[in-house]
Amino acid sequence: GAGVSQSPSNKVTEKGKDVELRCDPISGHTALYWYRQSLGQGLEFLIYFQGNSAPDKSGLPSDRFSAERTGGSVSTLTIQRTQQEDSAVYLCASRVTSGRYNEQFFGPGTRLTVL
Amino acid sequence: GQSLEQPSEVTAVEGAIVQINCTYQTSGFYGLSWYQQHDGGAPTFLSYNALDGLEETGRFSSFLSRSDSYGYLLLQELQMKDSASYFCAVTYNQGGKLIFGQGTELSVKP
Repeated sequence: GAGVSQSPSNKVTEKGKDVELRCDPISGHTALYWYRQSLGQGLEFLIYFQGNSAPDKSGLPSDRFSAERTGGSVSTLTIQRTQQEDSAVYLCASRVTSGRYNEQFFGPGTRLTVL
Repeated sequence: GQSLEQPSEVTAVEGAIVQINCTYQTSGFYGLSWYQQHDGGAPTFLSYNALDGLEETGRFSSFLSRSDSYGYLLLQELQMKDSASYFCAVTYNQGGKLIFGQGTELSVKP
């Protein structure tokens, strides 16, 4: 079956512009996560959606970042007024919450470059 | 805050055994996961420990000691394709977010 997909794969934008990143999770996965990874670094948690519950937004670095998940499936991460420090790979992951191993399935990521 | 410690780099030869250690903060700990990431690729799940002891999956094993706030990933019969970054990640509540370490870059030499 299809894995987690993300679009676009690459995004180059100018400082101050808004960007939207999209994630399509694996069908039937109720949990969806956004992370970002700067070059040579670990993954930094951003936000977590679980079913109809209020999302865990504790990792969002500023109020320029927001995310939504429509219909319990597709998610969009929006970054307003982008800054150069926002440049990173943004990774989406999904999970079956009944899974024993807390295994998260990651998409290929969106590489964001802010000039 | 929540932080994890793991070595930044490890080098080993083909056929050898390597152990990558990870220490974490205890408060609210729920489980320890390991992920592999090749250059330019997505992280892929390797193993998960919620209870003390060893979990074995083929050439890879993972160990957890909750009393020591410590775990490790053991890779046996190393192959060149095992050259990658390995991340430990902690779940601090059931089903929640993963907090990742900075990663260990493993280089396997012939």
